[in-house]
Amino acid sequence: QSVLTQPPSVSAAPGQKVTISCSGSSSNIGKNYVSWYQQFPGAAPKLVIYDNDKRPSGIPDRFSGSKSGASATLGITGLQTGDEADYYCETWDSSLSAGRVFGGGTKLTVL
Amino acid sequence: QVQLQESGPGLVKPSGTLSLTCDVSAGTISGGNWWSWIRQPPGKGLEWIGEIYYSGSTKYNPSLKSRATISIDESRNQFSLKLTSVTAADTAIYYCARTAHIIAVNAIMSWVDPWGQGILVTVSS
Repeated sequence: QSVLTQPPSVSAAPGQKVTISCSGSSSNIGKNYVSWYQQFPGAAPKLVIYDNDKRPSGIPDRFSGSKSGASATLGITGLQTGDEADYYCETWDSSLSAGRVFGGGTKLTVL
Repeated sequence: QVQLQESGPGLVKPSGTLSLTCDVSAGTISGGNWWSWIRQPPGKGLEWIGEIYYSGSTKYNPSLKSRATISIDESRNQFSLKLTSVTAADTAIYYCARTAHIIAVNAIMSWVDPWGQGILVTVSS
């Protein structure tokens, strides 16, 4: 059971927009910044969003992030078949069990 | 761009100790960053194990109940993980990574980048 809750799967057609949610609590998302990772089968995860809404160099502006209260959202516009992957949210939990926490992951299918 | 590479045995016996090393290249391990170990059981999600600062300060996932120890060797530009009393539940791909842990005003900025390619460790007799 992950500390952060993500939908197991989402899907959309090429060219469309999709959003992936990540729900936490006041001790993690509600307090700290959120990052998002993209993982293709057999590969290591790759950072696509950090500090809630910033994109690392090389990540297209089709990827966006936002945060409101204890929830965060990853948005991908102009979907491409190459975006089909697993996506994970991550933040720091400042509770007594402090540490880095991840969501359970969301499988994005581009139909 | 910093690159990381995991190495170590791919098979560990139950009740034994898992030992992995992460070599850091194209950058110095003493550059003021945190360095993490993260694992992923086959077909499952990501689990943070712990991280170490170049000074030797460490943070660990409480769920591992003190089984994990992370150490750093600045002279070799590498850091290591030891996980004791392993069981089949510890079978996973183990990733080393550079992590950010920045204390801003009343909030913590954290992210993981870059990651090593990962190494599969199987616990089996």
